[in-house]
Amino acid sequence: SQTIHQWPATLVQPVGSPLSLECTVEGTSNPNLYWYRQAAGRGLQLLFYSVGIGQISSEVPQNLSASRPQDRQFILSSKKLLLSDSGFYLCAWNGGGGGYTFGSGTRLTVV
Amino acid sequence: QKEVEQNSGPLSVPEGAIASLNCTYSDRVSQSFFWYRQYSGKSPELIMSIYSNGDKEDGRFTAQLNKASQYVSLLIRDSQPSDSATYLCAQEGSGGSNYKLTFGKGTLLTVNP
Repeated sequence: SQTIHQWPATLVQPVGSPLSLECTVEGTSNPNLYWYRQAAGRGLQLLFYSVGIGQISSEVPQNLSASRPQDRQFILSSKKLLLSDSGFYLCAWNGGGGGYTFGSGTRLTVV
Repeated sequence: QKEVEQNSGPLSVPEGAIASLNCTYSDRVSQSFFWYRQYSGKSPELIMSIYSNGDKEDGRFTAQLNKASQYVSLLIRDSQPSDSATYLCAQEGSGGSNYKLTFGKGTLLTVNP
């Protein structure tokens, strides 16, 4: 069966520090992968998605970037965090329609 | 711009009652709709998908899709306190193979014992 792993679960980072969040999927090949952010009082905002290795599409301009170095690995990064980057970051995968399966999420607080 | 709208609630129902959650969407072309449940502090989990007009039932849950009126609803029968959560409606983007989902902001449901 397919599983999705996301870490860390919580993170407190100072403004201006770098960020790296990792997501891996097991039990499937060539999944579509997504990064969403859920800020307090707001809905799920799609940040990036990837349909294959090295293929990244950005949905909104921001302080973040994404990479997909391997088929089942998706990384969200920032060189310098802003206060506005705080939120609940969710990785999700899709094998071809039928909705997403989400990872457990990373709660990021920038201080 | 494709939008999915939900009443943010909160919606409060007594235990055993029917909870009705509604969602409207703007993209007429999309064929796929989903309901997710999100407990406080947790990630969303898929509970229902619906692709054609009409009703789809799964246990205590019934999803309803009306493409002419562009709305999707979720009915929860015999509501339980454990159903208390935020319910997210999502629409899959039309065209392409990226299967992007656009989410509503969610409706907070509270089931009172």
